[in-house]
Amino acid sequence: RKEVEQDPGPFNVPEGATVAFNCTYSNSASQSFFWYRQDCRKEPKLLMSVYSSGNEDGRFTAQLNRASQYISLLIRDSKLSDSATYLCVVNSLMNSGNTPLVFGKGTRLSVIA
Amino acid sequence: EAGVTQSPTHLIKTRGQQATLRCSPISGHTSVYWYQQALGLGLQFLLWYDEGEERNRGNFPPRFSGRQFPNYSSELNVNALELEDSALYLCASSGGTGANQPQHFGDGTRLSIL
Repeated sequence: RKEVEQDPGPFNVPEGATVAFNCTYSNSASQSFFWYRQDCRKEPKLLMSVYSSGNEDGRFTAQLNRASQYISLLIRDSKLSDSATYLCVVNSLMNSGNTPLVFGKGTRLSVIA
Repeated sequence: EAGVTQSPTHLIKTRGQQATLRCSPISGHTSVYWYQQALGLGLQFLLWYDEGEERNRGNFPPRFSGRQFPNYSSELNVNALELEDSALYLCASSGGTGANQPQHFGDGTRLSIL
């Protein structure tokens, strides 16, 4: 099983739609979680951290379910500028020290006018 | 505040040559990470440096190596280049080794092997 799994998409949605992305991770020792966005041929950019209690940043809401080892990202009122690949990212704290971030392969979103 | 900077932006090499890629982290960040992203694929972790030491290494052959300098900048060296090394090489930095530290990326170096 891959460490971080995401539905690759693409998700094609009209402007104004609500869209949700899911992500599962295999390492139950994982301690921190992030969503990044990556535009075509650009570097990944941090979108938001994901906290245990869930958190919101404007139109974006992230949720974490540790029991199911599942993370979600909800985008409300989609804009054309939201079109990008969304990367689910997980870190783990192992006995030997921190390991680097593990990136999912990403879910592609296309918002259509 | 300046972000992570990488150079060169593009690099064209031929098979068998050697490539050196450079990265300067965000001021105050001590950890530097290197990733490879081949076209259409996800990020593959290459190397992690912190305080001048190699902390972790991904599943890549020894011809991928690097170092971190006292000013925390870093170099990635790839020897005996192969066609499949063509990819975007991304450098990221973080402000510490705590589990909650996100990483911030540079624009990347696009390496093309002819």
